[in-house]
Amino acid sequence: DAGITQSPRHKVTETGTPVTLRCHQTENHRYMYWYRQDPGHGLRLIHYSYGVKDTDKGEVSDGYSVSRSKTEDFLLTLESATSSQTSVYFCAISSRSEDYGYTFGSGTRLTVV
Amino acid sequence: AQTVTQSQPEMSVQEAETVTLSCTYDTSESNYYLFWYKQPPSRQMILVIRQEAYKQQNATENRFSVNFQKAAKSFSLKISDSQLGDTAMYFCAFMKPADKLIFGTGTRLQVFP
Repeated sequence: DAGITQSPRHKVTETGTPVTLRCHQTENHRYMYWYRQDPGHGLRLIHYSYGVKDTDKGEVSDGYSVSRSKTEDFLLTLESATSSQTSVYFCAISSRSEDYGYTFGSGTRLTVV
Repeated sequence: AQTVTQSQPEMSVQEAETVTLSCTYDTSESNYYLFWYKQPPSRQMILVIRQEAYKQQNATENRFSVNFQKAAKSFSLKISDSQLGDTAMYFCAFMKPADKLIFGTGTRLQVFP
């Protein structure tokens, strides 16, 4: 019944290679977010989108880019992966209509070796 | 800028006992929302409870309740009759209306039989 799915669930990649993570929603929500989770840091916002082709940076955006060509899809790209980008990545969606917080995907564990 | 602080990295409690997780935040806003999210070993982010700052009454959801002290900027989570399934990471989060979620660093709760 998940209205939001992330792929892949796990990925191991080599330093210097490009990586794209995908977030897909079926809720038709306007807002989509990418967070990374690291021990001792909680979840930190990387980028977010407030509509098709409308995106903005979060607090840890360096080394990441995003794209949103359709309402349902939000892509996160690591142009040249580094070991510091080893993390768990979460996508989230929100309608912001009633500020009930976000609905999260199940996360992608990315390991850069 | 808003910040959220969770000063207890780890806590433990015996099954059926009560435990309280602490959270403080810093903001100059008068209207905002506070959340507690649970992250079990499955990695899924689950909304536990939500509090609207303009409501004086503390939110409750079954065995979960909060102690919201607006003047002190404190938002603690009380779990009554702890169960083994409550073992998880718990995140406190803050949000201004129609804005982005800001998370604390999390508290890892272990429930022992």
